[in-house]
Amino acid sequence: QVQLQESGPGLVKPSQTLSLTCTVSGGSISSGSHYWSWIRQPAGKGLEWIGHIYTSGSTSYNPSLNPSLKSRVTISVDTSKNQFSLKLSSVTAADTAVYYCARGSTVAANPYFDYWGQGTLVTVSS
Amino acid sequence: DIVMTQSPDSLAVSLGERATINCKSSQSVLYSSNNKNYLAWYQQKPGQPPTLLVYWASTREFGVPDRFSGSGSGTDFTLTISGLQAEDVAVYYCQQYFSTPNTFGQGTKLEIK
Repeated sequence: QVQLQESGPGLVKPSQTLSLTCTVSGGSISSGSHYWSWIRQPAGKGLEWIGHIYTSGSTSYNPSLNPSLKSRVTISVDTSKNQFSLKLSSVTAADTAVYYCARGSTVAANPYFDYWGQGTLVTVSS
Repeated sequence: DIVMTQSPDSLAVSLGERATINCKSSQSVLYSSNNKNYLAWYQQKPGQPPTLLVYWASTREFGVPDRFSGSGSGTDFTLTISGLQAEDVAVYYCQQYFSTPNTFGQGTKLEIK
């Protein structure tokens, strides 16, 4: 059974960088064809896909989240630790949300998400 | 971006009755070359992450009770819960994975009447 667990600071100051790590257990992050993804959910709102890193190491980010999320986000993978990470720079209060890591599965260019972490609340505040 | 619109925003259904949630995409999510609809449904209970219920519009994820069923094609989709149980109280989301960025509906809150 694949399990994912997010870790990282729960409070980040405005303009700083949000850094989260997702540890995958129950399977190798480098095996199969999966999209290791980050999704966020502002309080009381819906789900927003941030981006993913594919098993091959290629990345894709959501170009439509504001402000210009694509220019601020980096997703990377550490296969030796079976982890993948999210870095979001120049954060503002609008980045306050529960952040989920998830495994995406599909034969297509975009995945549906079959395994999710429990989520971690990140608050941007001074 | 493909916009996913769910209806209703909330609904209350009696135990044992049927709940129907609709999802409409702003453009077709049917890929003609393989005749598959790139549409998934999720359930999110309070304080928990979403869980996958259905993918390819109608394929139930392993372990999901058969009272959950997905249907539809092209731009119009439905999640049906037959014989509502108390544990089904949750917010339900549809998601398209036809194109980047993949996008979710706004959610439908299901309660017991």
